[in-house]
Amino acid sequence: KAGVTQTPRYLIKTRGQQVTLSCSPISGHRSVSWYQQTPGQGLQFLFEYFSETQRNKGNFPGRFSGRQFSNSRSEMNVSTLELGDSALYLCASSLAPGQGSVIYFGEGSWLTVV
Amino acid sequence: AQKITQTQPGMFVQEKEAVTLDCTYDTSDQSYGLFWYKQPSSGEMIFLIYQGSYDEQNATEGRYSLNFQKARKSANLVISASQLGDSAMYFCAMREKGGSEKLVFGKGTKLTVNP
Repeated sequence: KAGVTQTPRYLIKTRGQQVTLSCSPISGHRSVSWYQQTPGQGLQFLFEYFSETQRNKGNFPGRFSGRQFSNSRSEMNVSTLELGDSALYLCASSLAPGQGSVIYFGEGSWLTVV
Repeated sequence: AQKITQTQPGMFVQEKEAVTLDCTYDTSDQSYGLFWYKQPSSGEMIFLIYQGSYDEQNATEGRYSLNFQKARKSANLVISASQLGDSAMYFCAMREKGGSEKLVFGKGTKLTVNP
């Protein structure tokens, strides 16, 4: 059974550009969440999606956005990139909210902004 | 607000020995879930073990066990028979209330297994 798949794994962008990261959850999982991990701030929650609806959003500026498709795949977008957006972006999936199921993560996407 | 505290920034253990990684949590909820994840330098966040607040028995998964002490609000991870491949960052996390799948993470413990 395939795990959570994130693409791309590594990318380098220039300040001011935008980036789109993709996440395919485990088959059958309908809940997807995104996290940003930096050495200074640790792991911070970005957003949570279920049935194509954003259920929860972390304390990030509007430059960070996401969406979920009908097949549960999700994308997140960061516009007008800043140096501070350099981070590991992790996607997680679970069966559905409120069911107490295990939350699995992907390998992450390493974003470097230069 | 929910909070996870991992007081050990770094831990060292000899290969084949057992090690305990500490985690305390703060919540006013009766229903919650606690997770431990392993993160090697590659960045992947690997699920290790899960404990629900209503689970009466401590969770175990192979060489990993969770020492759950509800009254003390602690959920320590025990790794038995450490292996060199266990060297990594370890994160304790709690699922937030209200049916959300949001996790609150601790700052992590860096475990080094020495040969």
